[in-house]
Amino acid sequence: NAGVMQNPRHLVRRRGQEARLRCSPMKGHSHVYWYRQLPEEGLKFMVYLQKENIIDESGMPKERFSAEFPKEGPSILRIQQVVRGDSAAYFCASSGLAVNTGELFFGEGSRLTVL
Amino acid sequence: GENVEQHPSTLSVQEGDSAVIKCTYSDSASNYFPWYKQELGKRPQLIIDIRSNVGEKKDQRIAVTLNKTAKHFSLHITETQPEDSAVYFCAAIGSSNTGKLIFGQGTTLQVKP
Repeated sequence: NAGVMQNPRHLVRRRGQEARLRCSPMKGHSHVYWYRQLPEEGLKFMVYLQKENIIDESGMPKERFSAEFPKEGPSILRIQQVVRGDSAAYFCASSGLAVNTGELFFGEGSRLTVL
Repeated sequence: GENVEQHPSTLSVQEGDSAVIKCTYSDSASNYFPWYKQELGKRPQLIIDIRSNVGEKKDQRIAVTLNKTAKHFSLHITETQPEDSAVYFCAAIGSSNTGKLIFGQGTTLQVKP
């Protein structure tokens, strides 16, 4: 079992460009969570998805950010028209069951730098 | 709204001493409280968790206690070692409907040899 796979591990974008971050959950996991971590800060919840459904997007900015978890393929976190404040580490996590009954496994993160 | 407060933000101990990190949560419906360890540049990894039907859980040198009445829980590390140095995060279920985890701000633990 390869674990939660995220790519790219590092991404550099100029202001105004788009960033696409991909997450493949652990095999058999259907619950995916995205978290953002600013330097020397905690993990801020962004969005929770199950296959083809957004369950909770209460932590995701209303503009420029979107997420999906299609029936086939990885989950995608998309940031349009990036700004310097978007620079952060974005962690994806997956679980096989609802998180209060199953462990949450994290990927290694995607570190976005906006120039 | 849902909130988890964690203290202290930094903690420095001598090797062999104990370390205690405390968290409080706001959502009385929370029923699952994991602790994660994150080494520099690495992913957060679960080290121990506790559910609301127990008050204490121990795994070798680490233990977690939970006080549901006061809505706080603590991580205890005994006989600390330099490899325990990392950032530790507590978390609680933010919403019993969606099950998302809300994390504390993190505690940077430094164990001095």
